[in-house]
Amino acid sequence: GESVGLHLPTLSVQEGDNSIINCAYSNSASDYFIWYKQESGKGPQFIIDIRSNMDKRQGQRVTVLLNKTVKHLSLQIAATQPGDSAVYFCAEKKGNTPLVFGKGTRLSVIA
Amino acid sequence: ETGVTQTPRHLVMGMTNKKSLKCEQHLGHNAMYWYKQSAKKPLELMFVYNFKEQTENNSVPSRFSPECPNSSHLFLHLHTLQPEDSALYLCASSQVPGLTYEQYFGPGTRLTVT
Repeated sequence: GESVGLHLPTLSVQEGDNSIINCAYSNSASDYFIWYKQESGKGPQFIIDIRSNMDKRQGQRVTVLLNKTVKHLSLQIAATQPGDSAVYFCAEKKGNTPLVFGKGTRLSVIA
Repeated sequence: ETGVTQTPRHLVMGMTNKKSLKCEQHLGHNAMYWYKQSAKKPLELMFVYNFKEQTENNSVPSRFSPECPNSSHLFLHLHTLQPEDSALYLCASSQVPGLTYEQYFGPGTRLTVT
């Protein structure tokens, strides 16, 4: 599989287009999911979260979709802007256990 | 900024040195975390402190020694590190673990071991 850094999956989108970043999670018992954004030189920043009893949640310009049947999580960014360029991580947790982070996806916005 | 600060931001140390990383959170959280982020792996959880008590040690080598004197401060003491320990070390905090509260991350300390 690919890892953070040299071999990150990369998504390139035109400014103004919508972006969809996908994540396959591992634990079917996970009950909470979260997306983080990490810009160069910074720590990860919270974007949006969702509980397992939901299949969709919307924020400002972002939507998270959860498909528990296939253990799939996606982050949709509307009208992508240059400031959205970053590495995006999904994370999952079950109950009292710590978050487990997935491999990141690098989003590049083409002006 | 997220309310979680880390110092130093950059650190270069030799394998025989001893240094400490510091993290402080100003969010009133009760849990604090150390993560390692290296170029070839996803974020790796190292330690978790819950109300100043260590609740998770993710098989971290003993050359990394955490300390949590109170709920607002977290240290990572480093000694006799190896070049492969070079990475970005991230601190995070959250409300009580186990609930659906997100973790807030600091900016990280970029560590280079020579």
